[in-house]
This record gives sequence, structure tokens and C-alpha cells, in this order.
Amino acid sequence: EVKLVESGGGLVQPGRSLKLSCAASGFSFNDYWMGWVRQAPGKGLEWIGEINQDSSTINYTPSLKDKFTISRDNAQNTLYLQMSKLGSEDTAIYYCAMGAAGYWGQGVMVTVSS
Amino acid sequence: DIQMTQSPSSLPASLGDRVTITCRASQDIGNYLRWFQQKPGKSPRLMIYGATNLAAGVPSRFSGSRSGSDYSLTINSLESEDMAIYYCLQHNEYPYTFGAGTKLELK
Repeated sequence: EVKLVESGGGLVQPGRSLKLSCAASGFSFNDYWMGWVRQAPGKGLEWIGEINQDSSTINYTPSLKDKFTISRDNAQNTLYLQMSKLGSEDTAIYYCAMGAAGYWGQGVMVTVSS
Repeated sequence: DIQMTQSPSSLPASLGDRVTITCRASQDIGNYLRWFQQKPGKSPRLMIYGATNLAAGVPSRFSGSRSGSDYSLTINSLESEDMAIYYCLQHNEYPYTFGAGTKLELK
């Protein structure tokens, strides 16, 4: 069974950084593109970006490219999202997703507030 | 960026109805179109991939179709468990883009 479990969320002050993790199991992690999607409270879905199997290709939504970095550790079956210069507009549930969003994690809440 | 114009934004319907939700792509996306269902407090669930293919475990009352740049999700004989928000996603070109969502609710 495919399982994606996000962690690392919480309350963070504006301007600070935060790193999310996504632990994957139940499939061959290093065979799949992996990505992140977010959803602000009461809003729709926003695709953040995705990374290929060997980390040689990473694509981002242009508006987030300068503040978010996606990476992965295939030995640990883990996907990461490094977020910097956070603002209130980044308050959202962050979902880890596999293979163009075929499978999703349960999501982790990030709240940016002083 | 490719814009996905989804309609309607809200769809009141009755149990047993047949309903259709549509996404129009601003550029050619081939069949790289997925539909997702999201219930309150839950993660989205893949329903349709490749514009017309039913994902594993999805009831056969769901179907996807394409007419030119218009992509549709149809639910035949609506059941109470189908009440949710539905989103389309194009994954033909970066950045991937979602439709704004359609809230399906009981009339």
C-alpha cells in the first residue's frame, strides 16, 4: 500500500524558514517523480513543483521558485520541501504527492504568523 | 502558464441526478488531464487520469471525456458520498495547473 506521511509543519514567524519532510513507503520510491501541492485555508489546490527520480530535474511554479526548494533522499525514501522567507500567504496545508498527484499524503499544516 | 477554466463553481444536485463538470484548457494539453475528489478535511483522491481512464477503486458511475479543449467529469446516478469538491489538473506542461474547483452539493 502506498503511504506518504508529511511532517515538519507548525507555526512559524514571518520571514523565517521551515523544512517539510515526506516519508514514503509501499512503493519503489526511486522509480517515481515526486512533488508538493498546497492548499490555503478554504481555497483551491496550488501545484508547487516536482522532482524526478535522480534529482536531476526539478520544476517549480514560477511564483514560488525563489523561495521553495524541493529535494529528495532515495536512500531514506524521503522527499523534502525547504521553504524560506515565509509570509502569511504561505499559510496552507502542504501535501506530498507521487507521480503527477496520483497518490497524496494526508497533508501537514503550516501557519505563518507572529 | 496554461489556464484551466473550471465550471460551474457550485453545482446543486439531487441524489440520482446525472451531473457534469467541465474544465477548458487555454492551450493544448492532449490527454494529460486528471480529476480529483476532495472531501472536507481529507486529501484529494485521484478519480480520472488520462482524461478518460477510471482510477483504481473508483465507482463506474464516474466517467471522463474530452471534446477538443474541453474536458468533462460526469457522475451518473449521484450518491450522497459523491458530495465533495472536484478539481481538474493539467500535467502536460510546467507549471502544472489546477482548475478552481467545483463544489457539488445537495439541492
